[in-house]
Amino acid sequence: RKEVEQDPGPFNVPEGATVAFNCTYSNSASQSFFWYRQDCRKEPKLLMSVYSSGNEDGRFTAQLNRASQYISLLIRDSKLSDSATYLCVVKGFQKLVFGTGTRLLVSP
Amino acid sequence: EPEVTQTPSHQVTQMGQEVILRCVPISNHLYFYWYRQILGQKVEFLVSFYNNEISEKSEIFDDQFSVERPDGSNFTLKIRSTKLEDSAMYFCAGGGRGTGELFFGEGSRLTVL
Repeated sequence: RKEVEQDPGPFNVPEGATVAFNCTYSNSASQSFFWYRQDCRKEPKLLMSVYSSGNEDGRFTAQLNRASQYISLLIRDSKLSDSATYLCVVKGFQKLVFGTGTRLLVSP
Repeated sequence: EPEVTQTPSHQVTQMGQEVILRCVPISNHLYFYWYRQILGQKVEFLVSFYNNEISEKSEIFDDQFSVERPDGSNFTLKIRSTKLEDSAMYFCAGGGRGTGELFFGEGSRLTVL
């Protein structure tokens, strides 16, 4: 089983749509959880941390279910600039483990 | 805003040659990492470095790879004898204590011919 598993997509959505990404992780001892964003041929950048209580940052909402080892990201009111690959990331002791990423394409 | 800088941005080398990739992390970071990303694939952990020694390494990080931080600023990744399959984007990253956020450099693209 992969350490961090994501649907690679692509998800093609129109501007203004709501889109949700899911991720599962295999290591129950994982300590911290994140969504990173990666633009084409660029470095990953932190989008937001993910907490069990759920957290929101503007149009983005992240949720963690430790019992199911499941992480989600919801993007509301999609913008053209949201087009990117969204990486589900799990932290163990020190290192970050990345999922393969889910590609989002937002069209006019 | 402080940033992680990496050089070179792109290096082309012949198979079997040695390559050194350089990184200048953000000065107050304590943990340093090298990741790589083969084109079209996921970001893979190579090695973490803390307190001037390797703290964790992956199966990819075999005897052909080494890291050092000789002068307290530059953090280097050396590949002793490159193989075709070493062609990838190599990202340096750094982080502070108590936070999971890593700050990545823009990457060094290595092409092995």
